[in-house]
Amino acid sequence: AQKVTQAQTEISVVEKEDVTLDCVYETRDTTYYLFWYKQPPSGELVFLIRRNSFDEQNEISGRYSWNFQKSTSSFNFTITASQVVDSAVYFCALSGDGYNKLIFGAGTRLAVHP
Amino acid sequence: KAGVTQTPRYLIKTRGQQVTLSCSPISGHRSVSWYQQTPGQGLQFLFEYFSETQRNKGNFPGRFSGRQFSNSRSEMNVSTLELGDSALYLCASSWRGGSNTGELFFGEGSRLTVL
Repeated sequence: AQKVTQAQTEISVVEKEDVTLDCVYETRDTTYYLFWYKQPPSGELVFLIRRNSFDEQNEISGRYSWNFQKSTSSFNFTITASQVVDSAVYFCALSGDGYNKLIFGAGTRLAVHP
Repeated sequence: KAGVTQTPRYLIKTRGQQVTLSCSPISGHRSVSWYQQTPGQGLQFLFEYFSETQRNKGNFPGRFSGRQFSNSRSEMNVSTLELGDSALYLCASSWRGGSNTGELFFGEGSRLTVL
């Protein structure tokens, strides 16, 4: 069975702090995809990153970075120098049994305070 | 380039009624999938359509159905509404049609309240 665990339900930080959101996944597939999405109060899920199982290179995009480790089945997301606009719920997701079906984690609510 | 458009954004129904939600994908995207989001169950996959064919279906009762039109627009229908169907229904589109999962672009959702 496929599963995504985001153990952190809520995180509260002060602006400019670095914050890491954890994601652990379970799958028996050898080929799979991992995603991070951001959900602001408007409700729309905003795509952040897609990573396939064969690419373990870490990625950096501005203040965002992702650390993918197959050995620990983790795909963690770090925001450097957090800003109030980063406040949202963040979801980690795993491609399911094919095509465009995603298995989502429960989400981590991030609150960044000025 | 317009994003994924969902209508209506908000609606209130009573138990036993039925509802139809609409989704217009990003131009050129042929895959449309639907997700239900509730506080208790989180985000759950409902079904996915590609070129008017349902390719995958989540673990939901038959009261939940959908379809896709030739212009890729999609509708989902929930019949005999129950209180537990109150949720945010999110539609996502993707240009990828193969077996590798692509980036899904989501709409703002339709928030359904069942009284």
